[in-house]
Amino acid sequence: DGGITQSPKYLFRKEGQNVTLSCEQNLNHDAMYWYRQDPGQGLRLIYYSQIVNDFQKGDIAEGYSVSREKKESFPLTVTSAQKNPTAFYLCASSIRDRNTEAFFGQGTRLTVV
Amino acid sequence: KNEVEQSPQNLTAQEGEFITINCSYSVGISALHWLQQHPGGGIVSLFMLSSGKKKHGRLIATINIQEKHSSLHITASHPRDSAVYICAPPISGSARQLTFGSGTQLTVLP
Repeated sequence: DGGITQSPKYLFRKEGQNVTLSCEQNLNHDAMYWYRQDPGQGLRLIYYSQIVNDFQKGDIAEGYSVSREKKESFPLTVTSAQKNPTAFYLCASSIRDRNTEAFFGQGTRLTVV
Repeated sequence: KNEVEQSPQNLTAQEGEFITINCSYSVGISALHWLQQHPGGGIVSLFMLSSGKKKHGRLIATINIQEKHSSLHITASHPRDSAVYICAPPISGSARQLTFGSGTQLTVLP
C-alpha cells in the first residue's frame, strides 16, 4: 500500500543534541513538506521541497535543516539551535505543489529533556 | 495571510446525532482540505474540494467559494468519530501555503 511513513513515533533527546526525523513516501510524489504542531495550536510549515535536490524555508525554519537527495525521502534535522524543539512533527506530500491533495504521515512526537 | 475560523471549537454529541462543523476563511482559494487528527496525532486527509459537495460514507463536505465558507457534516455519528477536525484552505492553490484552522475537538459519547 502506498503512503507516508514517519519514524520513530516517539523520540526523546537530551538538550543540545541534534536529532533527525525520518519521512519516506512511496506515492511517487514530487512535493514534500514538514510541519510542526504545538499543543493547542495549528500546524506551521518548517520546510518544503518541490523536487529532488531542492528545498525552501517555510515560516519557522530557524533551527532546522533538511535534505532531499531522493524523491521518496525528506529527513528533517532538529538542531541544537532550535530553542523549543519539543513538539509534534508532521510530514506530508503531494503529487505536485499546486491544486493537489496533501497526504500526511502519522507524525513524530519529539521530547527534549 | 489567510485567516481561518472554525466553529465550534469543542463539540460533544451523543451517538447517532448529526454533526456540523463550520469553517470560514478570509482569502479566496481554489480548493480546501478537511483533515482528521486522532489522539495519537496522525492526520488523515478527509476531503479536498473546490466546489459543491463531496461525500465519503457518513461524511459530507460542502464549500461555497463565493461566501468563503465550508462545512463538514457527519451523519449517524459514532464514538470512533471522536477526533480533531481541521479545515485547511491554502492561500493559493499550493499545499505549502495551507493555512490550518485551530480545529474542532469532537467527542461522541456512546
